[in-house]
Amino acid sequence: GAGVSQSPSNKVTEKGKDVELRCDPISGHTALYWYRQRLGQGLEFLIYFQGNSAPDKSGLPSDRFSAERTGESVSTLTIQRTQQEDSAVYLCASSRLQPPYEQYFGPGTRLTVT
Amino acid sequence: DAKTTQPPSMDCAEGRAANLPCNHSTISGNEYVYWYRQIHSQGPQYIIHGLKNNETNEMASLIITEDRKSSTLILPHATLRDTAVYYCIVRVAPTNAGKSTFGDGTTLTVKP
Repeated sequence: GAGVSQSPSNKVTEKGKDVELRCDPISGHTALYWYRQRLGQGLEFLIYFQGNSAPDKSGLPSDRFSAERTGESVSTLTIQRTQQEDSAVYLCASSRLQPPYEQYFGPGTRLTVT
Repeated sequence: DAKTTQPPSMDCAEGRAANLPCNHSTISGNEYVYWYRQIHSQGPQYIIHGLKNNETNEMASLIITEDRKSSTLILPHATLRDTAVYYCIVRVAPTNAGKSTFGDGTTLTVKP
């Protein structure tokens, strides 16, 4: 079946502009996660959605970052007033809320802020 | 969630077994050990997970010590396509999943 998809695959934007990144999880996956991965580094947790519960936003680095999810479907990650340090690959993952809870990752969106 | 420690890099000869260690000395009784890998320019891929028993699937085997303070991922016959960054994480599934950051992992290079 279809995996997690993300769009766009690449995004180049000017410093100070806003960007929206989209994630389409696997159908039936209640949990959805956003991560950031800077060049040569590991994954950094940003936010976690679990069904209709309040999202865990503890990983968002600043108030310029926000994310929404409608029910158990699409999620968008918005970065306002982008800065050069926001340049990274943004990865989305989804999982079921039953064992073994493994996360399925999308291909990521490579964001470059010039 | 417990923190994990992995060596930054390892080499393995093609066709030989690759044994990747992970230390998680502060693991709690209800935390699982998960392994993922990330091949260059792709999203991470789930490999295997376990709680306290050793596990095996079509990709790999997971050996967890009796005290659960460490584990080893075994790729029985490594191929060039297994070259990737391997991440070991521990977490209470499924909550707090995000708080278990993936860290820097182990870069495995399989050589011909």
